[in-house]
Amino acid sequence: NAGVTQTPKFQVLKTGQSMTLQCAQDMNHNSMYWYRQDPGMGLRLIYYSASEGTTDKGEVPNGYNVSRLNKREFSLRLESAAPSQTSVYFCASSDWQGADEQYFGPGTRLTVT
Amino acid sequence: AQSVAQPEDQVNVAEGNPLTVKCTYSVSGNPYLFWYVQYPNRGLQFLLKYITGDNLVKGSYGFEAEFNKSQTSFHLKKPSALVSDSALYFCAVRPSPNDYKLSFGAGTTVTVRA
Repeated sequence: NAGVTQTPKFQVLKTGQSMTLQCAQDMNHNSMYWYRQDPGMGLRLIYYSASEGTTDKGEVPNGYNVSRLNKREFSLRLESAAPSQTSVYFCASSDWQGADEQYFGPGTRLTVT
Repeated sequence: AQSVAQPEDQVNVAEGNPLTVKCTYSVSGNPYLFWYVQYPNRGLQFLLKYITGDNLVKGSYGFEAEFNKSQTSFHLKKPSALVSDSALYFCAVRPSPNDYKLSFGAGTTVTVRA
């Protein structure tokens, strides 16, 4: 039982390049989330997927797109990377919203030059 | 408007002393409250949550938190801190059961000295 896995662990992009961050969970959770973590700002929600087949914007969605490929997988795409997107990205999952705690992946450290 | 605040950027305590990490929230109604811990270069780990019922919640690794509705606070506590408790701690609030958004505080860095 690996929990939540993310690939890659590290990535360096040049401004304007694109990339997709992959996330998978093996806990049969319905909901999945993408956050970014920046120093002194906590975690901010980028997008979430309440259940398979649905996605919604979070607090900071601009510059990102997501795909809920199936119940297990939720990817985050940067179409044209900008230096402001330099951050640590975390994927998380939970069984349902509300009382259920979220389980986090190990993160992807992205640097955009 | 910020939903949750952690007023201290850093907390330093000696091993064996009590540890308190403060959190206040500013949502109406009956929010769901969570504490997470992040060790260096790791993802967040769930510690405990308050949903309803007893105001004192016990969680992992000997941590507990007290929900105080009148003061809108949810402080994390540990009676006797360990060096291994040194980490970054986040308080988070979900404003209502139907709200998917989990709002995180900025985090408090805890350092426990031997």
